[in-house]
Amino acid sequence: DGGITQSPKYLFRKEGQNVTLSCEQNLNHDAMYWYRQDPGQGLRLIYYSQIVNDFQKGDIAEGYSVSREKKESFPLTVTSAQKNPTAFYLCASRSTGTGITGELFFGEGSRLTVL
Amino acid sequence: DQQVKQNSPSLSVQEGRISILNCDYTNSMFDYFLWYKKYPAEGPTFLISISSIKDKNEDGRFTVFLNKSAKHLSLHIVPSQPGDSAVYFCAASDDSSASKIIFGSGTRLSIRP
Repeated sequence: DGGITQSPKYLFRKEGQNVTLSCEQNLNHDAMYWYRQDPGQGLRLIYYSQIVNDFQKGDIAEGYSVSREKKESFPLTVTSAQKNPTAFYLCASRSTGTGITGELFFGEGSRLTVL
Repeated sequence: DQQVKQNSPSLSVQEGRISILNCDYTNSMFDYFLWYKKYPAEGPTFLISISSIKDKNEDGRFTVFLNKSAKHLSLHIVPSQPGDSAVYFCAASDDSSASKIIFGSGTRLSIRP
């Protein structure tokens, strides 16, 4: 089955530690996205990537880093510089081919809790 | 500065009636709009979209209306069913081939018996 896989589903981190969230897709999509969800604030864009080896900052990129070495993978690292990292993180992908709509396909999400 | 706004955090509708969820945007460059549905602890799922060249798009029980002059769109669900209870997000993009997709803060819809 084609889809987006995020791991781990739940993650606990001590303050001061970096943690990396995995996102893999087998939909052959060019574009990939990371969003963060906090209660009452909807989905806020952290980083997005339109092609391999290229990515852009979203609205709340501070304290986060990403890489896009392979088309199917877009890992997100939450660094110790992120002031309030406890949140639900969502990865998404989208085809950018001609005539394709802007529909995003989302993974199941990763819940990060900082202790 | 929120470019996509959903001013109603929650909405309660009786089963069988029409649910109307509203969304406003500030960026006149947005040309593609989407609605997503989300259950707790799951990723959002796509419902329906509309391009700025249209003012209405219908898919089964779901219809999206776009008023470009007012920078406003709405999602109509009729008839509302218990399974429609979820959080609904409005989203917008200014480039339908790629680019940033900005989401609103969501509206929690509850369908009561």
